[in-house]
Amino acid sequence: EAGVTQFPSHSVIEKGQTVTLRCDPISGHDNLYWYRRVMGKEIKFLLHFVKESKQDESGMPNNRFLAERTGGTYSTLKVQPAELEDSGVYFCASSLLGSNTEAFFGQGTRLTVV
Amino acid sequence: KNEVEQSPQNLTAQEGEFITINCSYSVGISALHWLQQHPGGGIVSLFMLSSGKKKHGRLIATINIQEKHSSLHITASHPRDSAVYICAVRGSNYKLTFGKGTLLTVNP
Repeated sequence: EAGVTQFPSHSVIEKGQTVTLRCDPISGHDNLYWYRRVMGKEIKFLLHFVKESKQDESGMPNNRFLAERTGGTYSTLKVQPAELEDSGVYFCASSLLGSNTEAFFGQGTRLTVV
Repeated sequence: KNEVEQSPQNLTAQEGEFITINCSYSVGISALHWLQQHPGGGIVSLFMLSSGKKKHGRLIATINIQEKHSSLHITASHPRDSAVYICAVRGSNYKLTFGKGTLLTVNP
């Protein structure tokens, strides 16, 4: 069975442009999370979907970031307009519903804003 | 101060050595994860613990809930174990809080 997949693996864009990252969770996983690692810092939580609903978006940095999960399957994270400080590696993870289910991570998308 | 502290930040070992990476946390948790990331690679979950000890091959993870501390041990280390090892804790709200990671280099 396919794991969590993320597209693209790398993206280099200019400041002010728009980028959309995609995450396909493991089939049947209702929990979907976005995380981000900025250079030199620890990985930080961005938001959590349960099916198509945003359960917790307390980690979203600002309103330039928009996450969606229409239909409760794959999710997109759009950054518009991108700024230099948005550079980092964006990870997606998914898990089954339940109090202590294991999270499975994607390979990450390395975003570089120049 | 981070909610999750790992030590050491960097660790260099010779092949065959026994390795310990430590993780301390300051919040109540429902589970603790040990994760591995090879250079340029994705994140792989090694263990999820809520109590006691787990073993998988040469890897052992322990957790002491009362002391809010976990350790990851690697026995008979090998150069392919070189990676960043990350401790992450899960609170009651599902989301993970991560440590900064430990960069392990095992030399042949």
